[in-house]
Amino acid sequence: RKEVEQDPGPFNVPEGATVAFNCTYSNSASQSFFWYRQDCRKEPKLLMSVYSSGNEDGRFTAQLNRASQYISLLIRDSKLSDSATYLCVVNGWGGATNKLIFGTGTLLAVQP
Amino acid sequence: DVKVTQSSRYLVKRTGEKVFLECVQDMDHENMFWYRQDPGLGLRLIYFSYDVKMKEKGDIPEGYSVSREKKERFSLILESASTNQTSMYLCASSFRWRENTEAFFGQGTRLTVV
Repeated sequence: RKEVEQDPGPFNVPEGATVAFNCTYSNSASQSFFWYRQDCRKEPKLLMSVYSSGNEDGRFTAQLNRASQYISLLIRDSKLSDSATYLCVVNGWGGATNKLIFGTGTLLAVQP
Repeated sequence: DVKVTQSSRYLVKRTGEKVFLECVQDMDHENMFWYRQDPGLGLRLIYFSYDVKMKEKGDIPEGYSVSREKKERFSLILESASTNQTSMYLCASSFRWRENTEAFFGQGTRLTVV
């Protein structure tokens, strides 16, 4: 079983739609959680951290359920510029330091 | 602005060649990482380093080695390049001792082994 699993998509949605991505992780000792965004042919960049209480940043809401080992990202009022691959990332202790474990990513295509 | 710089954007090498990929960061980060990214497989960790001269294997270290002689520089070495090492290689760095620490990536090196 992969350490971090995501639905690869693609998710094709119209502008203005609400879309949700889900992610599960296998290591219950994982400490921190993130969503990264990767544009085509670019490097990944941090979108937002995911906190236990849930957190929101404008149109983006992230949730964490430690009991179910599940992370989600909700995007409201989708824009064309939201088209990208969204990577679920879990930060676990790698023996000497924190190391990031990435899901395979979910491709979002927002259509006009 | 944080900068993680990889020495090449594109490389073409022959099978059997020794290949060096260089990564430099200017944020005084302790952690540095090498990933490869392939379609359908996502980012997979090859090696990471949490201090000068320290290194640990990631999930797919076979066929690779690394070197960290200075804090700001982390090199990935393909001892004898093979066609299955054709991939996008991404370097990243982060602080070691901070919770929820963000990792910053270089722009990537697309390596083709022919």
